[in-house]
Amino acid sequence: DTEVTQTPKHLVMGMTNKKSLKCEQHMGHRAMYWYKQKAKKPPELMFVYSYEKLSINESVPSRFSPECPNSSLLNLHLHALQPEDSALYLCASSLAGTSGAPNEQFFGPGTRLTVL
Amino acid sequence: TQLLEQSPQFLSIQEGENLTVYCNSSSVFSSLQWYRQEPGEGPVLLVTVVTGGEVKKLKRLTFQFGDARKDSSLHITAAQPGDTGLYLCAGVGGGADGLTFGKGTHLIIQP
Repeated sequence: DTEVTQTPKHLVMGMTNKKSLKCEQHMGHRAMYWYKQKAKKPPELMFVYSYEKLSINESVPSRFSPECPNSSLLNLHLHALQPEDSALYLCASSLAGTSGAPNEQFFGPGTRLTVL
Repeated sequence: TQLLEQSPQFLSIQEGENLTVYCNSSSVFSSLQWYRQEPGEGPVLLVTVVTGGEVKKLKRLTFQFGDARKDSSLHITAAQPGDTGLYLCAGVGGGADGLTFGKGTHLIIQP
């Protein structure tokens, strides 16, 4: 299995809703990432988990809450989002930190989030 | 903060032409990756370059990493309409760092 899966594919939510994005990989990768991508722009890093511990938080607002239940799963909990948070949310994983492997990151298909 | 300057940002050419995309930085990266992204989909990894001066080929695509590991280029020979997409270069330091992306090159190949 060489893919990263993300659910749901599309999500529409109101500003008072609570929802979660899910990401899964079965490649034995020990680093997982959340990126946010606005239209016509490159992805921007949000969070990095390394060996199931949060290692990087790029000053992301607290209305985004990441969680790594185990080495294969990564969640992003959403609460009280704003319309400007509408974007494509991408999950990625890599072998980084293991055996000096280069940090090749493999991306999922993304969740298209619309906040009304 | 490591920055990657990618150029050109937009390129529209005819089928069969050649093109080169550049990715430059003042910082040294431990590795640099090239991705291709279709609208509404996640980036797909094309290649990773690690060694200064390295050249890798993927069919009609040739990737080069600068000797000082600060810059890279992607050359496409005889472009096809199927090459249309957003091409992203991304650099990374060591360990489990996040990727630093260039702004991307929106490539359109017209039949």
